[in-house]
Amino acid sequence: QSALTQPRSVSGSPGQSVTISCSGASSDFGGYNYVSWYQQHPGKAPKLMIYDVTKRPSGVPDRFSGSKSGNTASLTISGLQAEDEADYHCCSYAGSYTWVFGGGTKVTVL
Amino acid sequence: QVQLVESGGGVVQPGGSLRLSCAASGFTFSTYGMHWVRQAPGKGLEWVAYIRYDGTKENYADSEKGRFTISRDNSKNTLYLQMNSLRTKDTAVYYCAKRAAGYDSSGYFYYYHYMDVWGKGTTVTVSS
Repeated sequence: QSALTQPRSVSGSPGQSVTISCSGASSDFGGYNYVSWYQQHPGKAPKLMIYDVTKRPSGVPDRFSGSKSGNTASLTISGLQAEDEADYHCCSYAGSYTWVFGGGTKVTVL
Repeated sequence: QVQLVESGGGVVQPGGSLRLSCAASGFTFSTYGMHWVRQAPGKGLEWVAYIRYDGTKENYADSEKGRFTISRDNSKNTLYLQMNSLRTKDTAVYYCAKRAAGYDSSGYFYYYHYMDVWGKGTTVTVSS
């Protein structure tokens, strides 16, 4: 199990869009579309933002969206807001009751 | 409301052992699979272990196999992580997280592949 690869940081101005990539070997994704994304503010517990690649839990703003192509998943934040500044972690089910996370990406709102 | 509260963290010497607990409330604990996830200082999240709702199946990240044991007591609504032969690289905040599940459109109780509720974590420091 190797960690999924995410950029260490991305940044954007308020109102802009940013996209965070999450890539790995096909075995990391297990051949499934079970990618989830978690937002984490400093000192806080992670919060679910996207599940099953594209689905948003109730209460998550629709400016957050997810996608996947091949062995790369992506999280896009459209209309960036100050409160979106946080760390974002991707996670994939890898089969046989195992999961793998990415290294996390720090989003900075300029 | 749905809540997970971890405890048992602390400072331990390399080679030592520690048992973490996670007390669950606000949901039917015995129906849901549970995870342990950790985060080393300044690092990303790392999946550690998973246990099925009934405790009959568990699995671990490769680096923890043989050293960590996940277990649960459904009568006490509590999840555990027994950690042995601790190393300095095990220093981290340890979170318990609930596996999401619910009824799909066919009325089937389906276990999703993500974590929908997290505790606030307990800190483990391995240091001499």
